[in-house]
Amino acid sequence: GAVVSQHPSRVICKSGTSVKIECRSLDFQATTMFWYRQFPKQSLMLMATSNEGSKATYEQGVEKDKFLINHASLTLSTLTVTSAHPEDSSFYICSARDRVVYNEQFFGPGTRLTVL
Amino acid sequence: GESVGLHLPTLSVQEGDNSIINCAYSNSASDYFIWYKQESGKGPQFIIDIRSNMDKRQGQRVTVLLNKTVKHLSLQIAATQPGDSAVYFCAENLGGSNYKLTFGKGTLLTVNP
Repeated sequence: GAVVSQHPSRVICKSGTSVKIECRSLDFQATTMFWYRQFPKQSLMLMATSNEGSKATYEQGVEKDKFLINHASLTLSTLTVTSAHPEDSSFYICSARDRVVYNEQFFGPGTRLTVL
Repeated sequence: GESVGLHLPTLSVQEGDNSIINCAYSNSASDYFIWYKQESGKGPQFIIDIRSNMDKRQGQRVTVLLNKTVKHLSLQIAATQPGDSAVYFCAENLGGSNYKLTFGKGTLLTVNP
């Protein structure tokens, strides 16, 4: 149990285009989902927290108009990187907090974004 | 250890030895701590957690020690195996209703056969 999936696992896009990444909790309902970004050889940096049915809360320094987050249901959150640039190339990881076992976060496998 | 620039602290051990990975956390108000293992190109995998009202917790081959006085956390892995090779992160929960986690810098563990 407690599986989180991400789609796609890898994406390559041209500069200026937008990319959508999906995060799904497969066998549990997630009250809250988190989006992280990780550059090579670095730690995970929290970008934003999203609660189902409400607006996401962004961390300081993260542009909300560039990284659009939608959490329309208890099992799906999406991150859209708008007008992507090469510096947005990174590993994007989501996690989901179980509605019942509320103190645990379960992580997805990550999405490797490369912007050319 | 401390990381400098973009370089992860590294720990290299022989198969069968015990490993100790250290982490300094930042917020004395944090009440929940977790160790994660991350293999290359994958998401973090939960290893073990500990609450601030404890100073030690044991799992299968792993032990976490918490020293709140100096804000230090350690992960001990017994009889380290090649499959344990990965980057290990500690994370602290800063409290609040959303259970946000702040991750430490990470340590690269390499197990030599």
